[in-house]
Amino acid sequence: AQRVTQPEKLLSVFKGAPVELKCNYSYSGSPELFWYVQYSRQRLQLLLRHISRESIKGFTADLNKGETSFHLKKPFAQEEDSAMYYCALASRANSKLTFGKGITLSVRP
Amino acid sequence: IAGITQAPTSQILAAGRRMTLRCTQDMRHNAMYWYRQDLGLGLRLIHYSNTAGTTGKGEVPDGYSVSRANTDDFPLTLASAVPSQTSVYFCASPPEQYFGPGTRLTVT
Repeated sequence: AQRVTQPEKLLSVFKGAPVELKCNYSYSGSPELFWYVQYSRQRLQLLLRHISRESIKGFTADLNKGETSFHLKKPFAQEEDSAMYYCALASRANSKLTFGKGITLSVRP
Repeated sequence: IAGITQAPTSQILAAGRRMTLRCTQDMRHNAMYWYRQDLGLGLRLIHYSNTAGTTGKGEVPDGYSVSRANTDDFPLTLASAVPSQTSVYFCASPPEQYFGPGTRLTVT
């Protein structure tokens, strides 16, 4: 069975502080990992996927197969980063996503 | 239309009533999914369809049904709504995992 764990529900930081949103996964094969962001009352938007290895809005995430983690990082948080963030996993066999429970990031001025 | 649209945007429904949430895509994607979003639980898959004419059960299918008569439409039906179905419902479609704007449903 595949599972995604986001151990924290809320992270509150000041503007300019570094951010790390944790994500651990459990999956027997080779997964595809994603980070989604949801701004207040809006639809989910794909932020990052591990296979693209890109930086979006200053965020990066590296897949660590040894630690089965896919933490999301940003060196300097901005107020507009305040949102709900979800880590998700899809198997290579199908595209159905398994989501973590999400974390609320609050960036204070 | 561009991407995925959902209707209605929000709805208050009396328990026991029947309700169909609509989802339409114009991307000609084969697969479509329905998720419900609940605070503290994340998003959970209700039903999915890998191609027109086929459907499958997700993690939380009870109380819901779907149909996929054509590629573009994937309606979700609550035959007899219960308060525990109060949630935000999102329709999505890969390969980019594009999500619709959601339907906020309150069952009273």
